[in-house]
Amino acid sequence: ILNVEQSPQSLHVQEGDSTNFTCSFPSSNFYALHWYRWETAKSPEALFVMTLNGDEKKKGRISATLNTKEGYSYLYIKGSQPEDSATYLCAFILDSGYALNFGKGTSLLVTP
Amino acid sequence: GAVVSQHPSWVICKSGTSVKIECRSLDFQATTMFWYRQFPKQSLMLMATSNEGSKATYEQGVEKDKFLINHASLTLSTLTVTSAHPEDSSFYICSARRLGPQETQYFGPGTRLLVL
Repeated sequence: ILNVEQSPQSLHVQEGDSTNFTCSFPSSNFYALHWYRWETAKSPEALFVMTLNGDEKKKGRISATLNTKEGYSYLYIKGSQPEDSATYLCAFILDSGYALNFGKGTSLLVTP
Repeated sequence: GAVVSQHPSWVICKSGTSVKIECRSLDFQATTMFWYRQFPKQSLMLMATSNEGSKATYEQGVEKDKFLINHASLTLSTLTVTSAHPEDSSFYICSARRLGPQETQYFGPGTRLLVL
């Protein structure tokens, strides 16, 4: 079992605040890192797939960075909105396969 | 993004019965699908990899005779929980692997199973 850690476990911010979460993963045998956004009663939605050290990806107000040498990725949300409330999952893939190894997620609540 | 459906979304059954869960990729073909399970306050854990036209590959600790997987077409994989017991109560979710420039996995909405 690969240890993928996400922090914080949960987060409560006010509308308009910017926030970020961390995903830590084993730095050896790295292949790819995925971020998903998961709203209750819906399918997890793919946000980013990151493969190269130093990768930075952006989708609207959400962006992510990747450091494969030290084994972490940050997800940033700029100007949080209530609709950003969800659980954000990161998942790591080893170079020997394509199965996703998930963290427990960060649960974000954005209140007006 | 791609769409994956999963049916049923929730099921309650008696101990000893079998339950079948379907996972369909609606707008792409998936030679590989995955089945995950999530217990309360835990992460999604891979149970098995479902390969179209061949046997599924099970993760350590997952009984293949208990969790039967069939991937008969490029758009459908099924998971059957045989002789379900209360400890099998969990959230089961599938994903389909989509190949391409940006390979990723697309998930269904999951199935909540409660075994009484």
